Amino acid sequence: GNSVTQMEGPVTLSEEAFLTINCTYTATGYPSLFWYVQYPGEGLQLLLKATKADDKGSNKGFEATYRKETTSFHLEKGSVQVSDSAVYFCALSDRDDKIIFGKGTRLHILP
Amino acid sequence: KAGVTQTPRYLIKTRGQQVTLSCSPISGHRSVSWYQQTPGQGLQFLFEYFSETQRNKGNFPGRFSGRQFSNSRSEMNVSTLELGDSALYLCASSLGGKVAEAFFGQGTRLTVV
Repeated sequence: GNSVTQMEGPVTLSEEAFLTINCTYTATGYPSLFWYVQYPGEGLQLLLKATKADDKGSNKGFEATYRKETTSFHLEKGSVQVSDSAVYFCALSDRDDKIIFGKGTRLHILP
Repeated sequence: KAGVTQTPRYLIKTRGQQVTLSCSPISGHRSVSWYQQTPGQGLQFLFEYFSETQRNKGNFPGRFSGRQFSNSRSEMNVSTLELGDSALYLCASSLGGKVAEAFFGQGTRLTVV
């Protein structure tokens, strides 16, 4: 079945460091891909998405490119801030409209 | 517009009891999904309803059930609660469709003692 694998956390970085959180997926067909973020005490919210191969999603300085050849959707940010500390989830939506999430990666940014 | 509303926010129940959680989706959204979030298992899909019909179901025992009403509001029921059912239960609504964004509520924190 369809699945999402993302790097285990926690990831700890200093402010202004470069961030990469790896995500790979297994799916039949052409899923849509998402990154969601969960801040402490809150539900998930969409960070960015890409709906077809080579699309780049971007928001709040974060980017991810839909790579069909490597079945990946890695999240990147050039300079992280303390306020980016949260849990990040990679996800895909398949043709049944079901969203499948990775296990999440906790990110800690130190001032 | 109002977001996804889940009630109650917190709940404490005893083993063997049953519980009903409620989710009011964003107006106009016909798809409602439920997830269980625990530190060990992450986010696990429970089921999804669209226009009052269950379209998808995750790998949970039959003690977990749900329904959706004609106004798209959804309820989730867990019977014969076990300690392992303690978790954050999240509801998400969307317009439906592969590219549709899911909007999440803040969740219901269930503690089984």
